[in-house]
Amino acid sequence: EPEVTQTPSHQVTQMGQEVILRCVPISNHLYFYWYRQILGQKVEFLVSFYNNEISEKSEIFDDQFSVERPDGSNFTLKIRSTKLEDSAMYFCASKAGPSQRELFFGEGSRLTVL
Amino acid sequence: GENVEQHPSTLSVQEGDSAVIKCTYSDSASNYFPWYKQELGKRPQLIIDIRSNVGEKKDQRIAVTLNKTAKHFSLHITETQPEDSAVYFCAAKDTGRRALTFGSGTRLQVQP
Repeated sequence: EPEVTQTPSHQVTQMGQEVILRCVPISNHLYFYWYRQILGQKVEFLVSFYNNEISEKSEIFDDQFSVERPDGSNFTLKIRSTKLEDSAMYFCASKAGPSQRELFFGEGSRLTVL
Repeated sequence: GENVEQHPSTLSVQEGDSAVIKCTYSDSASNYFPWYKQELGKRPQLIIDIRSNVGEKKDQRIAVTLNKTAKHFSLHITETQPEDSAVYFCAAKDTGRRALTFGSGTRLQVQP
């Protein structure tokens, strides 16, 4: 069964450093998302991406965040200058099309900012 | 924007008992309500969903009910088993948005 894959599974970084989290969505999917989950809290929406552009973003997704689809398979989330409060599990998700309801999540990338 | 409240935050039941998790939502335009199960350290996975034109949906031991007037929906798990132990998240979405809004999660513990 096809899966969303994410790398790295865990990254530890110093405050102020740039971080890039990578995702490979399911190959025929058209909609891509980043969510984050601070330890013990709810899953929060960051950004959605369709047709090579951001289609929606939350108030969390400020100028420190950016997303890119550099080629036909990867979907990346960049945090320019990490803060302590960016420590969380970051989930990538993808969806096949507008009439498809199910969101498929990756296993997550745990980011620890020291 | 949409706000989803979920209760209880933790739930402990004996194996074989039923478990009920409740959610309320604020945006009357929301029309899609999925439930995700997240086992410890794993990805959230869809277990059941319901659209607003349906009041109830069942899949084996799992059922979801929706009350559009009251803006609440519930997950019912019957004959619980230890492998049902996980965190369950409800979510809501309207057609105008691409993103799901999640509840805060319920940690279900099924005691053998």
